[in-house]
Amino acid sequence: SQKIEQNSEALNIQEGKTATLTCNYTNYSPAYLQWYRQDPGRGPVFLLLIRENEKEKRKERLKVTFDTTLKQSLFHITASQPADSATYLCALGGYSTLTFGKGTMLLVSP
Amino acid sequence: EPEVTQTPSHQVTQMGQEVILRCVPISNHLYFYWYRQILGQKVEFLVSFYNNEISEKSEIFDDQFSVERPDGSNFTLKIRSTKLEDSAMYFCASTPYATNEKLFFGSGTQLSVL
Repeated sequence: SQKIEQNSEALNIQEGKTATLTCNYTNYSPAYLQWYRQDPGRGPVFLLLIRENEKEKRKERLKVTFDTTLKQSLFHITASQPADSATYLCALGGYSTLTFGKGTMLLVSP
Repeated sequence: EPEVTQTPSHQVTQMGQEVILRCVPISNHLYFYWYRQILGQKVEFLVSFYNNEISEKSEIFDDQFSVERPDGSNFTLKIRSTKLEDSAMYFCASTPYATNEKLFFGSGTQLSVL
């Protein structure tokens, strides 16, 4: 069956460092992969989308890589800030439904 | 910036009762969705809706669930005869893209079934 795995443990980093979150998947051939941010009690907020034929995508302090051979995406936040503390969800889809991973909580300490 | 609006933010109901969760998607979006998230679990797809029809639905979306777009702005999820396990946060989402890209989510309705 299709499976999306994200680090289940929270990631704790110091302000100013780069946070790297991982999304692995199995039994999937997604046309794209998306990353969302979710704050407690709120709906997910779209951050970035990367397509299967793209290796890397950037937006301000965010960078996403997508390796369809490894079936893995890495999500980087550079110069992290306490305001970046949230749960980050990866989601895979194509022309069918969008399926979310469970998310990784990021905690950025001042 | 336009946003998806959901009401109510919290809904408490007795088991067996019917509830209607309401959503106002972003006005120029054509594709609408309901997702749910049980506390501590992942966001799960329920149903997608386009052109006044269900496009896809998950196994969760059984006969107790229905969706409707009663007018040009509202999008509703009805749960008939609620069960304890229906307790969750229900999110509405919309997008202008046909391929489930870049979904805009509402803030959710927390449904508690007692």
